[in-house]
Order: sequence, then structure tokens, then C-alpha cells
Amino acid sequence: DTEVTQTPKHLVMGMTNKKSLKCEQHMGHRAMYWYKQKAKKPPELMFVYSYEKLSINESVPSRFSPECPNSSLLNLHLHALQPEDSALYLCASSQEPPPAPDTQYFGPGTRLTVL
Amino acid sequence: EDQVTQSPEALRLQEGESSSLNCSYTVSGLRGLFWYRQDPGKGPEFLFTLYSAGEEKEKERLKATLTKKESFLHITAPKPEDSATYLCAVFPRGGYQKVTFGTGTKLQVIP
Repeated sequence: DTEVTQTPKHLVMGMTNKKSLKCEQHMGHRAMYWYKQKAKKPPELMFVYSYEKLSINESVPSRFSPECPNSSLLNLHLHALQPEDSALYLCASSQEPPPAPDTQYFGPGTRLTVL
Repeated sequence: EDQVTQSPEALRLQEGESSSLNCSYTVSGLRGLFWYRQDPGKGPEFLFTLYSAGEEKEKERLKATLTKKESFLHITAPKPEDSATYLCAVFPRGGYQKVTFGTGTKLQVIP
């Protein structure tokens, strides 16, 4: 089973709201990732967690705050977002973290709209 | 800088008309190359991982091959349900060691 789940599927929020995206995997993977994908563009890496510790932050604005409560869960806390942050947010996991070139398995994504 | 170029950008095929998608890469050594398919509004679905030149993998109507400069995704006798965007991604040997995605090929298979 290579399933990564994400909730919610859709989220609409105002610029002053605080919300969270959730991701879960039960494959025993040691790395988890957040990506952002705009329409007709490839996924862009935001964060990498390796063994529950933040290992890569791709210079993401502080209005995005990741959290890894345990080895199966990954959250992305959102605060004071801008309309240009509207996108599909993807979670992924891999057996081993970089530098191992392991396959990343993606969840279905959360479609975020910021008004 | 690592670069991944996919061609064509879009491809329209008749059902049963075989073709190939190309992924050319320029990286500081290749540790892995990944193919995904993505349906609109959904997350990428894993297809294949290739690690070394000469490697080939097959799954149903799809076959992925790898050389030192490029990878091909061959689609044999495609069906309408194969319509999707196909993404290629590479994991370089050196540098930052993160996956770099190509911009994808949007495939449409007409019945």
C-alpha cells in the first residue's frame, strides 16, 4: 500500500484566517514533503522532514509553518495568506530522506483558495 | 543548474496510436529518474523509477527507458483513460539533492 492521505480536499480562506492542512501516511516512511503546485506548472518543493525533523526549507514565507507531530503525520499551518498563495498543496513521503534517491509518493492534494 | 525538459508540451493521439514522450535532463550526475502521471486537480501518481542508463521498466501499456541524457515514456496502443499530464523528475547526484520536475507533457487520447 502506497497511500498518502490529505485533508481537507478543498479549503477557502480569507487573508486573516488561520487554517491547517493535514497529511498522513502509514507506510513507515521516514521522509515527508510539502509541495505547492500552481495551474499548469510542476510541483515546487516547500519543506522536507527527515525523521520528523525539518531538513529543507525552500525559503518559504513565514506565513506557512510546517509541523511534524510524529512519523506518520505532517501539518502545514497557514496564517495571513495572500491570494497568490492559492494553489494545490501536495504532501508526499518516501522510504528514506535525501540524499537517498527514493521514490516519493504523493497524496491527492488540498485545493486552497485565498480570498 | 539542474534542468529537465519534457517534449512535446502537448500530444494528441488517436486511440491505439502508439507514441513516445521525451524527458531530457542536464544534471550533475543522475541518481534517479521518476515518471508520474497527473490527472487535473489530483496529486501525481507514481509510475516508474529508473536508476541507471540502459534500465527499462514496463507497466501495462507504458514502458520507460533511460539513457545518459534522456528518458522516454513509450505508450503502446493508448486508450482514452491514459489521457493525463505525464511528469518526469530527476534526483541529482550532487548539489542540493532534491527532485527537479519537468513541466510535463499533456497527453490527450481521442476515442
